[in-house]
Amino acid sequence: QVHLQESGPGLVKPSETLSLTCTVSGGSISNYYWSWIRQPPGKGLEWIGYIYYSGSTNYNPSLKSRATISVDTSKNQFSLKLSSVTAADTAVYYCARVDPNSGSYDWGQGTLVTVSS
Amino acid sequence: EIVLTQSPGTLSLSPGERATLSCRASQSVSSSYLAWYQQKPGQAPRLLIYGASSRATGIPDRFSGSGSGTDFTLTISRLEPEDFAVYYCQQYGKTFGQGTKVEIK
Repeated sequence: QVHLQESGPGLVKPSETLSLTCTVSGGSISNYYWSWIRQPPGKGLEWIGYIYYSGSTNYNPSLKSRATISVDTSKNQFSLKLSSVTAADTAVYYCARVDPNSGSYDWGQGTLVTVSS
Repeated sequence: EIVLTQSPGTLSLSPGERATLSCRASQSVSSSYLAWYQQKPGQAPRLLIYGASSRATGIPDRFSGSGSGTDFTLTISRLEPEDFAVYYCQQYGKTFGQGTKVEIK
């Protein structure tokens, strides 16, 4: 069974770049789409974007100008960079594997990122 | 982009009652690509239903999904204490509805 684990700084300063990595174990990163989702405290889920193992991407239009998702197949990892962060970017960030047939998710446990000086 | 609108925002029910949750899409969604998740505080969402009506592994049969086109429904036939949570619909790997909270009346 695939396991996903998010990692990265829990605190980022305003105007800086948030960087997170998702490490995939128990399965290959090949032949799947991989997604990032976030959830501000007390609010709903927001899809950030996803990447195919080959590198093609699709982003939420509301975040497209600031988000970059990349993949490293040699390490079985994919990553998120979100630039010019503000307090509104404070959230639990989840990574997930996208089932190719249904589009449903296998989720990581999530990691809280706080934007504060 | 497809927008998913869930209703009601909050559903106040007692254990043993039936819960009916709605998810409406701004344009037609393939039934193959509509999923429902349950989320409890401090936890990642858990997949309940995929393909609009197929239960995920280990999901009790009191959970059922239906619908097509732009209107989809999640039904919990008899609420158990552990079912009080927030429920989200999602269309293929992308946008989520805003959620429906099922709370104890």
